[in-house]
Amino acid sequence: DTEVTQTPKHLVMGMTNKKSLKCEQHMGHRAMYWYKQKAKKPPELMFVYSYEKLSINESVPSRFSPECPNSSLLNLHLHALQPEDSALYLCASSPRVGVDSYEQYFGPGTRLTVT
Amino acid sequence: SQELEQSPQSLIVQEGKNLTINCTSSKTLYGLYWYKQKYGEGLIFLMMLQKGGEEKSHEKITAKLDEKKQQSSLHITASQPSHAGIYLCGADSGSGGGADGLTFGKGTHLIIQP
Repeated sequence: DTEVTQTPKHLVMGMTNKKSLKCEQHMGHRAMYWYKQKAKKPPELMFVYSYEKLSINESVPSRFSPECPNSSLLNLHLHALQPEDSALYLCASSPRVGVDSYEQYFGPGTRLTVT
Repeated sequence: SQELEQSPQSLIVQEGKNLTINCTSSKTLYGLYWYKQKYGEGLIFLMMLQKGGEEKSHEKITAKLDEKKQQSSLHITASQPSHAGIYLCGADSGSGGGADGLTFGKGTHLIIQP
């Protein structure tokens, strides 16, 4: 089973709202990632969690706040977003981080629209 | 930062024909990944290549890594409508291991004509 699940599938929110995106995997993976993908562009890395600790923050604005409550769950808390934040948000996981490369498996994404 | 250049940007192929997509890196490749994406959906993992000269196949798709040229190619034999989509190559952003996430090429949009 190589499934990464994401909820919700679609989300529409106003600029003053607070919402959260959820990502879950039960493969025992110890690295989890958030990527942002704008239309007709490749995914861009936002955050990396390694063993439930934030290891990479790619200069993402503070209106995006990641959280890793346990090894299976990854959340992305959203607050005071801008219309330009509308995008497909993808979660991924991989068995671990280390010297060797490991497969990253992606979820189906959450389509976010900020009005 | 690492850059991945994919070619061609788009490709229209008649069903049953073979095709090749290329991915060239501006830096040393530690891990090269191929994904397929349908518009607006998640990325489907196809293959990961790690070592120079490595070649992997799955069904009718074969990927190769030329470490010296910092290039990878994805070859599809006897294309089918199910092969249509956007093919993305990705590479470990840092020195491998996924610790720095992946950097992606801009993708190749593949259309299969019946």
